This record gives sequence, C-alpha cells and structure tokens, in this order.
Amino acid sequence: GQQLNQSPQSMFIQEGEDVSMNCTSSSIFNTWLWYKQDPGEGPVLLIALYKAGELTSNGRLTAQFGITRKDSFLNISASIPSDVGIYFCAGQTWNAGNMLTFGGGTRLMVKP
Amino acid sequence: EAGVTQSPTHLIKTRGQQATLRCSPISGHTSVYWYQQALGLGLQFLLWYDEGEERNRGNFPPRFSGRQFPNYSSELNVNALELEDSALYLCASSPSWTGTYGYTFGSGTRLTVV
Repeated sequence: GQQLNQSPQSMFIQEGEDVSMNCTSSSIFNTWLWYKQDPGEGPVLLIALYKAGELTSNGRLTAQFGITRKDSFLNISASIPSDVGIYFCAGQTWNAGNMLTFGGGTRLMVKP
Repeated sequence: EAGVTQSPTHLIKTRGQQATLRCSPISGHTSVYWYQQALGLGLQFLLWYDEGEERNRGNFPPRFSGRQFPNYSSELNVNALELEDSALYLCASSPSWTGTYGYTFGSGTRLTVV
C-alpha cells in the first residue's frame, strides 16, 4: 500500500527558532494535508494543498505541495511553546475516495 | 456548532471480549471515517462510511467491523479483542464522500485490552 515517510521523527528546539519537516512518498498524491495533534486530542487540520507547486500559509505556518506530487513540507517560523505537539502529513488520491494516508508524525518539543 | 463526538473516552476490555465504540459526526456531514492510532505511531485507516454504506476498508481483519445509522452516526465493533488492539481509535467526519477537504476528527476513544 501507499506509504508516507515523514521526517524528522522528533525535534527539540529553542523558542523562536524556525522548524521544517517534510513528507515523501513513492506514490503520487492529489491532495496534501498537514495536521497537528495535541496530547489526548484528535488531529486538527492546519493546511490543505490541492495543486502541485502550491505554497500556502496559515499564520506562522507555510506548506508546499511538491512539484512531483510525491512530497510536501511544512515550515513553522518563530516557534512558541504552544507549537508543541505531533505534526502529521497526510496524502489523498482521487482513486481512494476520501481515504487519507498518514505519515508517522513529527513530535515537536519547544524549550522556552 | 458541535464537533465530532466520540464515546466512551476510555474503554478497558479483556482479551477475547468485544468492544463497541461510537461516533457522532458534525451536523450535515454524511461521511464518517475510523482510524486506529497505536501508541507512538501514525494513523491507520480502518473504515469509511457514507450514506449508510461502507465505501472503503483498510487492511484490518474482519473482526473489525462497523455500521452507519440513518442519522449518520457510526459504530465501530472490534470482536475477539487482542492485546495489540490497544490504541486510540479516532473518528472523523466530512460533508460528503466527494469532498477532498480533509476531515474533522473527534478526540478519540482510548481502548486498552488487558
């Protein structure tokens, strides 16, 4: 089945630093999504990308849909303590209907 | 507007028993999805229901089953529980199976099999 390789698995950074994480796949996806999960909660959608090459921002978050449609990255600028959590990428293909394939997650820890 | 609600929040069962997990989607959403999140791992797709029909199924054994009711709420049943079924089970909903705009997730049911 489809696999999404997400890296890094974890990051421990200083408050104010920028963060970058990415997902790669051997398969093409038509939609890339980025979610954040806080402890004890379900994932919350941060950014959705629908077109190859698309660059989208949401506040301090910026994500890009890779031109090959096989990768995506998420950047967080000027990190703050509430950015702590697990970030997941997810890909969707039209022939899979609404099923999402998730990456393994990046655990972000921010030191004040 | 109420979000996706799941019950119970925690469930402890003995190996071999059956577990029933419930999900109420956001009002107006017809599609419901179930995912399993084992500790420290990503989300694995289990089942997708839309308009009362099972639309897709992930790579899980038949003892994982479910259904969607006329009011679009859904139930996930896990029979003959095994220790490795211990996980957070997440339900999500979306407006339609034709949509591609991501899901809204509930907070999950933490199932522990002992």
